[in-house]
Amino acid sequence: KAGVTQTPRYLIKTRGQQVTLSCSPISGHRSVSWYQQTPGQGLQFLFEYFSETQRNKGNFPGRFSGRQFSNSRSEMNVSTLELGDSALYLCASSLEVTLRAYNEQFFGPGTRLTVL
Amino acid sequence: GDSVTQMEGPVTLSEEAFLTINCTYTATGYPSLFWYVQYPGEGLQLLLKATKADDKGSNKGFEATYRKETTSFHLEKGSVQVSDSAVYFCALSRRSNDYKLSFGAGTTVTVRA
Repeated sequence: KAGVTQTPRYLIKTRGQQVTLSCSPISGHRSVSWYQQTPGQGLQFLFEYFSETQRNKGNFPGRFSGRQFSNSRSEMNVSTLELGDSALYLCASSLEVTLRAYNEQFFGPGTRLTVL
Repeated sequence: GDSVTQMEGPVTLSEEAFLTINCTYTATGYPSLFWYVQYPGEGLQLLLKATKADDKGSNKGFEATYRKETTSFHLEKGSVQVSDSAVYFCALSRRSNDYKLSFGAGTTVTVRA
């Protein structure tokens, strides 16, 4: 079974531009979460989508947005890029078995975004 | 809100040494607890988990016990190898919060031959 894939793996943008990152979850997984990883702030939750609906949102400005398609693939968009947006953006998918104590999240390799 | 505090790194060890990384948490209800590992240039992999008090998670020689009385989930390995060099993250999730993961800051472990 293929794992979580993220494209592109590396991206260089300049301040003020916008960027779209893509995530394809494991087949059959309906929940997709996004995390930002930086040396200073560590791993921070951005948002989570389940069945095309945003179910959870972290504490990030409105410049960060996302969506999920009917095939569960997800995209996140960052508009008006700032230097501080440079980070590794990780996507994770899970099967979402209801009433279970936990749902294992499977992570992709990430997209390394550099803002110049 | 939920939070996870783990031992600051970096940690440098010799091969076959004992490794312990402390992790404590704050959360309402009954969270599930996890250790994730991140190898250079890769995403996170689930190393082990525990879903209720006194559960012991184990994998690849690593162990951690869910201690509700001390709100801790310390990671241990009796004899590390060079291949264990990585960043280790303690994390928690709650069903009542749609399983959102809250992570600790991460601990970088380097094992020298």
